[in-house]
Amino acid sequence: VQLQESGPGLVKPSETLSLTCNVSGGSINNYYWFWIRQSPGKGLEWIGYITYRGTTNYNPSLKSRVTISEDTSKNQFSLKLISLTAADTAVYYCARDLSPVLTHAPGYYGMDVWGQGTTVIVSS
Amino acid sequence: SYELTQPPSVSVSPGQTANITCSGDQLGEKYVCWYQQKPGQSPVLVIFQDTKRPSGIPERFSGSNSGNTATLTISGTQALDEGDYHCQAWDSSIAVFGGGTKLTVL
Repeated sequence: VQLQESGPGLVKPSETLSLTCNVSGGSINNYYWFWIRQSPGKGLEWIGYITYRGTTNYNPSLKSRVTISEDTSKNQFSLKLISLTAADTAVYYCARDLSPVLTHAPGYYGMDVWGQGTTVIVSS
Repeated sequence: SYELTQPPSVSVSPGQTANITCSGDQLGEKYVCWYQQKPGQSPVLVIFQDTKRPSGIPERFSGSNSGNTATLTISGTQALDEGDYHCQAWDSSIAVFGGGTKLTVL
């Protein structure tokens, strides 16, 4: 399985970021699909996840601004983040958690596949 | 909110053992994952469920978790093991990462 993020590299403050993660070499049906970001020189920050059943869960610190959706027909999932500020400048990764959705909570098997990451700069 | 604390840096000589710690309240009651991240690259899962190695991860990587501290141990550390190491656990359905530890092989 391979993941590939796509989206704009530069976004203006107050605008909306839209990123897509394309899943190839395997189906999006099953498992948990994550968005994670890393600000320059900082650690990793979990944004949220979606399952193939459409269940979502978000980081409380971002919940009011985040929406994660999926398109199973295209085998991809997406991130929308509104009201951007400079603090949202980061490398954004999509990742898969290998834990089976029907039988396990996320984290049982860990995030075993990651995209290469896409850099997003918030600046006017 | 739940926090995981890692030392900012750890140094080790080639061939020696590196121990990277991750501390959190009652962390031993949660499963911990460890991720290796080399400069300019995406993270790679090296330990899950506290102690298990994914396929393809060398046996020199091992993990433990008890009480309030999880530890990633790299035995016979090699230069190619240099990079950042991130611990991660779940608390109340929220994924939490530690701040990361930079491992330097001197």
